[in-house]
Amino acid sequence: DQQVKQNSPSLSVQEGRISILNCDYTNSMFDYFLWYKKYPAEGPTFLISISSIKDKNEDGRFTVFLNKSAKHLSLHIVPSQPGDSAVYFCAASERTSGSRLTFGEGTQLTVNP
Amino acid sequence: NAGVTQTPKFQVLKTGQSMTLQCAQDMNHEYMSWYRQDPGMGLRLIHYSVGAGITDQGEVPNGYNVSRSTTEDFPLRLLSAAPSQTSVYFCASSYAGSYGYTFGSGTRLTVV
Repeated sequence: DQQVKQNSPSLSVQEGRISILNCDYTNSMFDYFLWYKKYPAEGPTFLISISSIKDKNEDGRFTVFLNKSAKHLSLHIVPSQPGDSAVYFCAASERTSGSRLTFGEGTQLTVNP
Repeated sequence: NAGVTQTPKFQVLKTGQSMTLQCAQDMNHEYMSWYRQDPGMGLRLIHYSVGAGITDQGEVPNGYNVSRSTTEDFPLRLLSAAPSQTSVYFCASSYAGSYGYTFGSGTRLTVV
């Protein structure tokens, strides 16, 4: 069963506008969530994370929101830039399993100039 | 500081052949993992290790073996390659107790 789901395979936005990437999870034991960005022919790179004790975390242009009751998180990128075009993966972990990460399928973000 | 180094970057195998994907990290990370990435399926955990001498299975361990004799190295062995193992393989490492993994650049494996 897919415990972390990213239902949008792709998203296209204009430069300067907001990009919103969504992620849903089913495992209520997940208590830490991360977003990774991946360019072609490279490994994923860590972008931002959030603990289940928070509902928002910001880092520059990137903000992650967590809605625990809905088991939903989102990544907001404002303003979007062409260099943000990449595949974004949502990942989750539960404290009892250490650092095992469960990933979503990924969303291809394209930012058009 | 090289981070996580994976070799080779590309490999073509014939069905039934065996090989080892190498992974080394120079950050003194305790945790190391192997993932495979397939189209539309994200990254799936194959095996992981929380320290030298300790390994465990992930979501998709069948057909793969690992060992962790040193903190730095975590090789992934394909015992008898099958076309279903055609994928991009990523090795990753992190500090114990940290959730953020550092990934290598990947090995693209094709089994024909």
